[in-house]
Amino acid sequence: DAKTTQPPSMDCAEGRAANLPCNHSTISGNEYVYWYRQIHSQGPQYIIHGLKNNETNEMASLIITEDRKSSTLILPHATLRDTAVYYCIVRAASNSGYALNFGKGTSLLVTP
Amino acid sequence: DAGVIQSPRHEVTEMGQEVTLRCKPISGHDYLFWYRQTMMRGLELLIYFNNNVPIDDSGMPEDRFSAKMPNASFSTLKIQPSEPRDSAVYFCASSFRGQGNTIYFGEGSWLTVV
Repeated sequence: DAKTTQPPSMDCAEGRAANLPCNHSTISGNEYVYWYRQIHSQGPQYIIHGLKNNETNEMASLIITEDRKSSTLILPHATLRDTAVYYCIVRAASNSGYALNFGKGTSLLVTP
Repeated sequence: DAGVIQSPRHEVTEMGQEVTLRCKPISGHDYLFWYRQTMMRGLELLIYFNNNVPIDDSGMPEDRFSAKMPNASFSTLKIQPSEPRDSAVYFCASSFRGQGNTIYFGEGSWLTVV
Protein backbone atom coordinates (compact mmCIF):
# COMPACT_ATOMS: atom_id res chain seq x y z
CA ASP A 1 0.00 0.00 0.00
CA ALA A 2 1.13 3.56 -0.74
CA LYS A 3 2.57 5.68 2.02
CA THR A 4 0.83 8.84 3.24
CA THR A 5 2.15 12.08 4.73
CA GLN A 6 0.10 14.16 7.15
CA PRO A 7 0.95 17.14 9.35
CA PRO A 8 1.47 15.96 12.92
CA SER A 9 -0.95 18.48 14.42
CA MET A 10 -3.50 21.17 13.59
CA ASP A 11 -5.77 23.55 15.44
CA CYS A 12 -9.25 24.65 14.50
CA ALA A 13 -11.74 27.00 16.13
CA GLU A 14 -15.09 25.53 17.08
CA GLY A 15 -17.70 26.15 14.40
CA ARG A 16 -15.15 26.66 11.66
CA ALA A 17 -14.27 24.20 8.92
CA ALA A 18 -11.36 21.89 9.62
CA ASN A 19 -9.35 21.01 6.51
CA LEU A 20 -6.98 18.12 7.04
CA PRO A 21 -4.49 17.50 4.21
CA CYS A 22 -2.90 14.24 3.17
CA ASN A 23 -0.24 13.54 0.57
CA HIS A 24 -0.14 10.16 -1.15
CA SER A 25 2.02 10.81 -4.21
CA THR A 26 2.75 7.11 -4.83
CA ILE A 27 -0.88 6.02 -4.87
CA SER A 28 -1.76 3.36 -7.42
CA GLY A 29 -4.78 3.29 -9.66
CA ASN A 30 -6.58 0.64 -7.63
CA GLU A 31 -5.95 2.20 -4.22
CA TYR A 32 -8.64 3.94 -2.24
CA VAL A 33 -8.15 6.80 0.21
CA TYR A 34 -9.65 6.08 3.63
CA TRP A 35 -10.00 8.39 6.61
CA TYR A 36 -10.38 7.21 10.18
CA ARG A 37 -10.23 9.07 13.43
CA GLN A 38 -9.46 8.04 16.98
CA ILE A 39 -10.86 9.94 19.89
CA HIS A 40 -8.85 9.51 23.07
CA SER A 41 -9.33 6.13 24.72
CA GLN A 42 -11.62 4.86 21.96
CA GLY A 43 -11.22 2.57 18.97
CA PRO A 44 -10.60 4.06 15.53
CA GLN A 45 -13.77 5.22 13.80
CA TYR A 46 -14.42 5.13 10.07
CA ILE A 47 -15.16 8.52 8.52
CA ILE A 48 -15.16 8.30 4.73
CA HIS A 49 -13.36 6.83 1.75
CA GLY A 50 -13.04 7.48 -1.98
CA LEU A 51 -11.27 6.46 -5.16
CA LYS A 52 -11.38 9.34 -7.63
CA ASN A 53 -14.45 11.44 -7.08
CA ASN A 54 -15.14 13.72 -4.18
CA GLU A 55 -17.30 12.14 -1.51
CA THR A 56 -19.58 13.50 1.18
CA ASN A 57 -21.42 11.89 4.03
CA GLU A 58 -22.99 13.02 7.27
CA MET A 59 -19.62 13.30 8.97
CA ALA A 60 -17.32 14.89 6.42
CA SER A 61 -16.33 15.60 2.83
CA LEU A 62 -13.37 14.12 1.02
CA ILE A 63 -11.73 16.08 -1.77
CA ILE A 64 -9.28 14.14 -3.96
CA THR A 65 -7.11 16.00 -6.45
CA GLU A 66 -7.41 15.09 -10.10
CA ASP A 67 -3.98 13.41 -10.13
CA ARG A 68 -4.98 11.60 -6.91
CA LYS A 69 -1.67 12.47 -5.27
CA SER A 70 -3.28 14.31 -2.40
CA SER A 71 -6.60 14.68 -0.63
CA THR A 72 -8.29 16.83 1.99
CA LEU A 73 -10.74 15.79 4.65
CA ILE A 74 -13.17 18.56 5.50
CA LEU A 75 -15.17 18.73 8.71
CA PRO A 76 -17.53 21.56 7.78
CA HIS A 77 -18.41 22.79 11.27
CA ALA A 78 -15.93 21.44 13.78
CA THR A 79 -17.07 20.84 17.35
CA LEU A 80 -15.08 20.11 20.49
CA ARG A 81 -16.02 16.44 20.07
CA ASP A 82 -14.07 16.36 16.80
CA THR A 83 -10.81 16.66 18.73
CA ALA A 84 -9.04 13.44 17.77
CA VAL A 85 -6.20 11.91 15.77
CA TYR A 86 -7.14 11.67 12.10
CA TYR A 87 -5.58 8.97 9.95
CA CYS A 88 -5.34 9.07 6.16
CA ILE A 89 -4.76 5.60 4.72
CA VAL A 90 -4.46 4.35 1.17
CA ARG A 91 -5.50 0.80 0.66
CA ALA A 92 -5.74 -1.49 -2.31
CA ALA A 93 -9.04 -3.13 -3.05
CA SER A 94 -7.52 -6.42 -4.05
CA ASN A 95 -7.81 -10.00 -3.04
CA SER A 96 -4.46 -10.00 -1.31
CA GLY A 97 -5.69 -8.45 1.88
CA TYR A 98 -7.92 -5.85 3.38
CA ALA A 99 -6.00 -4.71 6.44
CA LEU A 100 -5.45 -1.03 7.21
CA ASN A 101 -1.90 0.19 7.85
CA PHE A 102 -2.03 3.20 10.15
CA GLY A 103 0.60 5.93 10.16
CA LYS A 104 0.97 8.61 12.81
CA GLY A 105 -1.98 10.70 11.68
CA THR A 106 -2.83 14.34 12.43
CA SER A 107 -3.78 15.35 15.93
CA LEU A 108 -6.61 17.86 15.54
CA LEU A 109 -7.41 20.13 18.45
CA VAL A 110 -10.70 22.00 18.24
CA THR A 111 -10.70 25.01 20.55
CA PRO A 112 -13.65 26.98 21.96
CA ASP B 1 -26.06 -3.59 15.77
CA ALA B 2 -23.95 -4.00 18.91
CA GLY B 3 -20.67 -3.42 17.14
CA VAL B 4 -17.44 -5.27 17.82
CA ILE B 5 -17.38 -6.42 21.42
CA GLN B 6 -14.14 -6.96 23.29
CA SER B 7 -13.43 -8.30 26.74
CA PRO B 8 -11.99 -7.61 29.16
CA ARG B 9 -11.90 -3.82 28.80
CA HIS B 10 -9.10 -3.52 31.32
CA GLU B 11 -6.70 -6.11 32.69
CA VAL B 12 -3.75 -5.87 35.01
CA THR B 13 -1.64 -8.99 35.32
CA GLU B 14 1.73 -10.04 36.62
CA MET B 15 4.62 -10.87 34.38
CA GLY B 16 4.63 -14.52 33.42
CA GLN B 17 0.88 -14.96 33.61
CA GLU B 18 -1.28 -16.01 30.68
CA VAL B 19 -3.55 -13.36 29.21
CA THR B 20 -6.55 -14.09 27.00
CA LEU B 21 -8.33 -11.32 25.15
CA ARG B 22 -11.70 -11.99 23.54
CA CYS B 23 -13.55 -10.57 20.60
CA LYS B 24 -17.01 -10.92 19.13
CA PRO B 25 -17.14 -9.43 15.62
CA ILE B 26 -20.16 -7.81 14.04
CA SER B 27 -22.61 -10.47 12.92
CA GLY B 28 -22.17 -11.38 9.26
CA HIS B 29 -18.67 -9.97 8.93
CA ASP B 30 -16.16 -12.28 7.28
CA TYR B 31 -12.90 -10.51 8.21
CA LEU B 32 -11.50 -10.14 11.70
CA PHE B 33 -8.40 -8.15 12.67
CA TRP B 34 -6.31 -7.83 15.80
CA TYR B 35 -4.32 -4.61 16.29
CA ARG B 36 -2.06 -3.40 19.08
CA GLN B 37 -1.49 0.25 19.98
CA THR B 38 1.37 1.71 21.99
CA MET B 39 2.73 5.22 22.28
CA MET B 40 6.01 4.19 20.71
CA ARG B 41 4.76 2.13 17.78
CA GLY B 42 1.26 3.43 17.17
CA LEU B 43 -1.37 1.09 15.73
CA GLU B 44 0.08 -2.16 14.46
CA LEU B 45 -1.70 -5.00 12.72
CA LEU B 46 -0.99 -8.29 14.47
CA ILE B 47 -3.07 -10.80 12.52
CA TYR B 48 -6.22 -11.05 10.47
CA PHE B 49 -8.65 -13.79 9.56
CA ASN B 50 -10.95 -14.36 6.62
CA ASN B 51 -13.82 -16.80 7.14
CA ASN B 52 -12.16 -17.97 10.38
CA VAL B 53 -8.86 -18.79 8.63
CA PRO B 54 -5.69 -16.83 9.51
CA ILE B 55 -4.52 -14.99 6.42
CA ASP B 56 -1.58 -12.90 7.61
CA ASP B 57 0.09 -13.29 10.99
CA SER B 58 3.34 -11.56 10.08
CA GLY B 59 2.65 -8.87 12.66
CA MET B 60 2.50 -11.26 15.58
CA PRO B 61 5.51 -10.30 17.72
CA GLU B 62 6.76 -13.73 18.72
CA ASP B 63 5.77 -17.20 19.74
CA ARG B 64 4.31 -15.95 22.98
CA PHE B 65 1.38 -14.57 21.01
CA SER B 66 -1.29 -16.75 19.46
CA ALA B 67 -4.71 -16.05 17.97
CA LYS B 68 -7.59 -18.32 17.16
CA MET B 69 -10.98 -18.00 15.57
CA PRO B 70 -12.95 -21.19 16.28
CA ASN B 71 -16.12 -19.83 14.69
CA ALA B 72 -17.47 -16.78 12.92
CA SER B 73 -18.59 -15.08 16.11
CA PHE B 74 -15.59 -15.46 18.38
CA SER B 75 -11.84 -14.91 18.42
CA THR B 76 -9.15 -14.94 21.07
CA LEU B 77 -5.69 -13.41 21.34
CA LYS B 78 -3.53 -15.15 23.89
CA ILE B 79 -0.22 -14.06 25.38
CA GLN B 80 1.74 -16.70 27.29
CA PRO B 81 3.86 -15.84 29.19
CA SER B 82 3.12 -12.13 29.39
CA GLU B 83 5.87 -9.52 29.75
CA PRO B 84 5.79 -5.84 30.74
CA ARG B 85 6.52 -4.81 27.14
CA ASP B 86 3.21 -6.37 26.12
CA SER B 87 1.40 -3.56 27.93
CA ALA B 88 -0.74 -1.88 25.28
CA VAL B 89 -4.27 -1.42 24.02
CA TYR B 90 -5.39 -4.34 21.89
CA PHE B 91 -8.10 -3.66 19.35
CA CYS B 92 -10.26 -6.15 17.55
CA ALA B 93 -11.96 -5.10 14.31
CA SER B 94 -14.18 -6.69 11.70
CA SER B 95 -15.40 -6.02 8.18
CA PHE B 96 -17.57 -7.44 5.45
CA ARG B 97 -16.16 -7.55 1.97
CA GLY B 98 -19.48 -6.56 0.49
CA GLN B 99 -19.60 -3.27 2.41
CA GLY B 100 -16.64 -1.62 0.70
CA ASN B 101 -14.37 -3.29 3.19
CA THR B 102 -15.02 -0.68 5.85
CA ILE B 103 -13.39 -1.90 9.03
CA TYR B 104 -15.17 -1.37 12.34
CA PHE B 105 -13.20 -1.38 15.57
CA GLY B 106 -14.07 -2.37 19.09
CA GLU B 107 -13.32 -0.19 22.08
CA GLY B 108 -10.14 -2.07 22.91
CA SER B 109 -8.70 -4.11 25.76
CA TRP B 110 -6.28 -2.15 27.93
CA LEU B 111 -3.57 -4.52 29.14
CA THR B 112 -1.02 -3.71 31.82
CA VAL B 113 1.62 -6.28 32.69
CA VAL B 114 3.50 -5.51 35.90
